[in-house]
Amino acid sequence: SQQGEEDPQALSIQEGENATMNCSYKTSINNLQWYRQNSGRGLVHLILIRSNEREKHSGRLRVTLDTSKKSSSLLITASRAADTASYFCATALANQAGTALIFGKGTTLSVSS
Amino acid sequence: EPEVTQTPSHQVTQMGQEVILRCVPISNHLYFYWYRQILGQKVEFLVSFYNNEISEKSEIFDDQFSVERPDGSNFTLKIRSTKLEDSAMYFCASSLRQVDNNSPLHFGNGTRLTVT
Repeated sequence: SQQGEEDPQALSIQEGENATMNCSYKTSINNLQWYRQNSGRGLVHLILIRSNEREKHSGRLRVTLDTSKKSSSLLITASRAADTASYFCATALANQAGTALIFGKGTTLSVSS
Repeated sequence: EPEVTQTPSHQVTQMGQEVILRCVPISNHLYFYWYRQILGQKVEFLVSFYNNEISEKSEIFDDQFSVERPDGSNFTLKIRSTKLEDSAMYFCASSLRQVDNNSPLHFGNGTRLTVT
């Protein structure tokens, strides 16, 4: 079943600009995670935000979580060409065994220099 | 930094053949996963595995699929009779704890399976 949905599907920006990606989900969660995937490679974990947290930072990444709206956003500040990749949000379904992380369709970010 | 390794990187097989995809998870991790990604599409959950048994599986993971941890290091995905629609990138992942216990997944670089 579909859990996370990212928005927009594709985003093109210039180097130095900020990139914001949004994620909506449907059920209660314990945490929400963001991953990055370079073309043809595996997914790399970026940041995890717990359900009792509202905002978290890691370097140029800022993640927010609004559990009342069932939504999260990932902000990449001062983007670089190397940030070009697909970004996915992922959640574990709260009413299941808690071992399945379900990914959204992703946002494809293109940063041009 | 420890990493998940997958072999082979590319596997070509004929329709109806059995195929085994291999993974070596991070050594102290306890939870293991298989995902697949059809070209350009979403990353789909197949199965999670803990304590030598399947923990959760998706609708995709039907009787044609099986997983095994034959020894202390390898984790395998077997597709018994491959179909054209099984062509995809298959990713193995592992985690130290349950994902709903705030544990991230560590992914391998995938095996590209092509069924002809």
